[in-house]
Amino acid sequence: DIQMTQSPSSLSASVGDRVTITCRASQSISSFLNWYQQKPGKAPKLLIYAASSLQSGVPSRFSGSGSGTDFTLTISSLQPEDFATYYCQQSYSSLTFGGGTKVQIK
Amino acid sequence: EVQLVESGGGLVQPGRSLRLSCTASGFTFGDYDMSWFRQAPGKGLEWVGFIRSKAYGGATEYAASVKGRFTISRDDSKNIAYLQMNSLKTEDTAVYYCTRDSNFWDLIVGATVTYMDVWGKGTTVTVSS
Repeated sequence: DIQMTQSPSSLSASVGDRVTITCRASQSISSFLNWYQQKPGKAPKLLIYAASSLQSGVPSRFSGSGSGTDFTLTISSLQPEDFATYYCQQSYSSLTFGGGTKVQIK
Repeated sequence: EVQLVESGGGLVQPGRSLRLSCTASGFTFGDYDMSWFRQAPGKGLEWVGFIRSKAYGGATEYAASVKGRFTISRDDSKNIAYLQMNSLKTEDTAVYYCTRDSNFWDLIVGATVTYMDVWGKGTTVTVSS
């Protein structure tokens, strides 16, 4: 199975900060990488697919990059509604998620 | 509005069965693969399994943790996907989500990337004596 490792597991940031979350795959997954946002008590929401494609309706402050084993989700200017947990997911072989990154208010 | 609504969750004893339903609306259900995921209390997301569309033979695949116990099926005439869960264990306790699966043809890689673009709100399954 392909293991997905996210870092950090949590971070504290202020509104307006630039935030970067990293996801590393245990083997190359090309661009088979998606990012989701989940708020407490809610279902996950797709943000980015195929490593860097922005899902329709998602604000442009969200961006994704990377290929192979190393990927990044960047929030260019953190907004109050962005405080949530973020998960990466690989769809190269079966489907597995990273452990999540909780973005908290500083 | 594109929507998925899960139902059928509840409290069940270990070893018993439960069937979850995922009712779709707002899109052509039969054109899409559908997946099930779960999230144990305070934990991360886990893929349970998926069912391909009839165009791809309705094939199914399952996570190792549920293979042989869970079965996914679909009724395209009713726009419903099902998750039949047998021989339930306490570790199956979770919120269960169904998703619509979409595909993106990556020109650079020359392959199709699958992603989950619509999620239901989830239904809670508690396995306890």
